[in-house]
Amino acid sequence: GESVGLHLPTLSVQEGDNSIINCAYSNSASDYFIWYKQESGKGPQFIIDIRSNMDKRQGQRVTVLLNKTVKHLSLQIAATQPGDSAVYFCAENTGTASKLTFGTGTRLQVTL
Amino acid sequence: GAVVSQHPSWVICKSGTSVKIECRSLDFQATTMFWYRQFPKQSLMLMATSNEGSKATYEQGVEKDKFLINHASLTLSTLTVTSAHPEDSSFYICSASVGETQYFGPGTRLLVL
Repeated sequence: GESVGLHLPTLSVQEGDNSIINCAYSNSASDYFIWYKQESGKGPQFIIDIRSNMDKRQGQRVTVLLNKTVKHLSLQIAATQPGDSAVYFCAENTGTASKLTFGTGTRLQVTL
Repeated sequence: GAVVSQHPSWVICKSGTSVKIECRSLDFQATTMFWYRQFPKQSLMLMATSNEGSKATYEQGVEKDKFLINHASLTLSTLTVTSAHPEDSSFYICSASVGETQYFGPGTRLLVL
């Protein structure tokens, strides 16, 4: 079936560097994408979203890029901090009753 | 922002007992809530969609008679794990929709002995 997947299961970055987390999706009908951050033992936390009619959206220290041609989504975190250490999930909404399909997740480890 | 709470945050029960988990939207009304299960180091797996005032829609492979969902009001959905067994031990997370965006609760850790 169609799915959302991530290229890198674990990403290690040094504090202060920029992080890029990637996600590939296969459903061309998906029109809405969300990035979530999940810390250990907690529920996912909304970070940023983007619609398919956009290719870039910026938030505070985060930027999401969408490339519909290759069905690729990325999350960029500027000046990564220890508090950014978590598992990051991309999720796509194909428009079916607001259901989300989650990717496998990438663990971001921030080293000092 | 949209705040979702869950209760309890963790529960330990004996095999064969039933456990009820509550999911509440605190500052908004949610006609649709979702229940997920997450095993260690894995992604979230959607179990069912909970619709206020109607029956829940279960994902393929999820037993509706084992995982009872009730969405009696616009701010509360409950998941009851009936006759729980050790294999039901997991992290259960609910979410509530605001438009297309889902906001998640803090999760409930269930351990069945």
